[in-house]
Amino acid sequence: QFQLEESGPGLVKPSETLSLTCSVSGGSISHYHWSWIRQPPGKGLEWIGQISDSGSTNYTPSLKSRVTISMDTSKNRFSLKLSSATAADTAMYYCARFAFGVLLYWGPGMFVIVSS
Amino acid sequence: DIVMTQTPLSLSVTPGQPASISCKSSQSLLQSDGKTYLFWYLQKPGQSPQLLIYEVSNRFSGVPNRFSGSGSGTDFTLKISRVEAEDVGFYYCMQTIELPYSFGQGTKLEIK
Repeated sequence: QFQLEESGPGLVKPSETLSLTCSVSGGSISHYHWSWIRQPPGKGLEWIGQISDSGSTNYTPSLKSRVTISMDTSKNRFSLKLSSATAADTAMYYCARFAFGVLLYWGPGMFVIVSS
Repeated sequence: DIVMTQTPLSLSVTPGQPASISCKSSQSLLQSDGKTYLFWYLQKPGQSPQLLIYEVSNRFSGVPNRFSGSGSGTDFTLKISRVEAEDVGFYYCMQTIELPYSFGQGTKLEIK
């Protein structure tokens, strides 16, 4: 059974880069697609982007200029970087594994506040 | 981009009564492989979303049979035959036929 866990700073200053890591256990990240999703306080879910098993990436258009998703197969984890953070990026951030056409396994989430 | 529209946005239901949530997509979710890439999640308070229904009408492992999904093309429905207290939370539909993937706005289910 795959388990995912998000980690990183819970507080980021405006204009800085928000960086999160998703550590995966229970299987290799090399054989699946992996996504990041976020949820601002009191709001719905927003798909941020994904990285495939080959390392190719896709991002939602509204964030594409600021987002980078990468993977480290040696450490079995993948990462999210969101540059030029603003208060609007304050949210719960989830990582998830894509399987059979759906986001099947989710991490517990990590809340990140963007504030000075 | 595909827009997913859910109605209603909130629902207050007496235990034992049925509930129904609609999800409409701006484009057909039927893929050339014959599958329809429409999914339903439940996000219970303080938890990550959990998969309820995959490909319109298939209950995921462990999901009670009081949950059912139906629909085709662009119109979909999630039904709960008899709501229980543990069903409270936000329900989201999601499409993965086309990037960027997208969710509906969410429907809040409360118990009366």
